[in-house]
Amino acid sequence: AQKVTQAQTEISVVEKEDVTLDCVYETRDTTYYLFWYKQPPSGELVFLIRRNSFDEQNEISGRYSWNFQKSTSSFNFTITASQVVDSAVYFCALTGPNTGGFKTIFGAGTRLFVKA
Amino acid sequence: DTGVSQNPRHKITKRGQNVTFRCDPISEHNRLYWYRQTLGQGPEFLTYFQNEAQLEKSRLLSDRFSAERPKGSFSTLEIQRTEQGDSAMYLCASSSDRLENEKLFFGSGTQLSVL
Repeated sequence: AQKVTQAQTEISVVEKEDVTLDCVYETRDTTYYLFWYKQPPSGELVFLIRRNSFDEQNEISGRYSWNFQKSTSSFNFTITASQVVDSAVYFCALTGPNTGGFKTIFGAGTRLFVKA
Repeated sequence: DTGVSQNPRHKITKRGQNVTFRCDPISEHNRLYWYRQTLGQGPEFLTYFQNEAQLEKSRLLSDRFSAERPKGSFSTLEIQRTEQGDSAMYLCASSSDRLENEKLFFGSGTQLSVL
């Protein structure tokens, strides 16, 4: 089965704290793609990153970093020095041949509150 | 690039009425998707178009739901005889097929409330 689990429903931090959002996935595919999307209060999901299953290098983009570990089927997202503007719902997602390649499977999301 | 546009943003209707939503994808994108999102959940796949062809429909999409994409441009999603359980955010997304498993560009959604 294709599944994405985000066990953290809500996280609240104070500005400038670091925060890690967890994502665990299940898939039968050997080639697959993982994503993170951000959904601010306006409602529009915004793409943050895409990772294919053959690329386990961690990635850093400004204050954002991602840790992909196939051994534990995890793709965690860390925000360093969080800011109020980071407050949003963050979704981890998965696609692959067993989803037809066109059907993105989303986790339930983690709502992040960053307090000033 | 004007992004994905959805209309209306909000729709309130009475149970049993029909509703129709519209999605205008990014112009050069040939793939269009409809997702449904309920409170506290991630988006759930409903259906997918490659140009004007509807290639996949989820089992979530009952016979009361129909989607079209005439001429491979904008798309409409119609719900007939609405039920209270249809209340949700309906999201449209588009993508190109230049790359495998390309990222999705989402609209702001249509929030449907069935009274």
